[in-house]
Amino acid sequence: GAVVSQHPSWVICKSGTSVKIECRSLDFQATTMFWYRQFPKQSLMLMATSNEGSKATYEQGVEKDKFLINHASLTLSTLTVTSAHPEDSSFYICSARDALPSTNEQFFGPGTRLTVL
Amino acid sequence: AQSVTQLGSHVSVSEGALVLLRCNYSSSVPPYLFWYVQYPNQGLQLLLKYTTGATLVKGINGFEAEFKKSETSFHLTKPSAHMSDAAEYFCAVSEAYSGGYQKVTFGTGTKLQVIP
Repeated sequence: GAVVSQHPSWVICKSGTSVKIECRSLDFQATTMFWYRQFPKQSLMLMATSNEGSKATYEQGVEKDKFLINHASLTLSTLTVTSAHPEDSSFYICSARDALPSTNEQFFGPGTRLTVL
Repeated sequence: AQSVTQLGSHVSVSEGALVLLRCNYSSSVPPYLFWYVQYPNQGLQLLLKYTTGATLVKGINGFEAEFKKSETSFHLTKPSAHMSDAAEYFCAVSEAYSGGYQKVTFGTGTKLQVIP
């Protein structure tokens, strides 16, 4: 099956610093990648849709200047949490959709646990 | 707008017993429906999906789900629970929305506990 990786798997940073999370599709090309945020014991909330070669589409209430998304290639999307604060601590999960016509199945990465001190 | 309701945030079953996780959806167009499983500190793994055709869908690990349009339901079942089934399960619905992109909406999840 299609494999999506995320790096790092966990990160601890100081308040005010920026953190970059990478999402890669390892064995397929993904024109669209999605970034989700999951708070403890809650469901996944879509933050933004990342499209290769164009600007990301952010969901309502998500600060685009705080959560910078770059989808520079068909296999890589990055999420940068700028000036992180403790309330940004969460589990961030990306997913990727195959570029070929499909049933809209998304393949999920293993997630990145961000802890902001 | 689409939505998913999962009844029961926690479900406990004995090992070997039937597993039934409930999911109801709302969608303005024929939906795609999914069940995902999540183990602690991991991403989501697809169990099964319904797109078109046969309404009874079989997935991995012995799970299956039936799409019932009249009931707007997509309940997940497994005849006999194993200890390894203990995890969190998410039902999801997908439909096209403005901009031409498919958006997936997840339910709030059901944590399955399997009792030895």
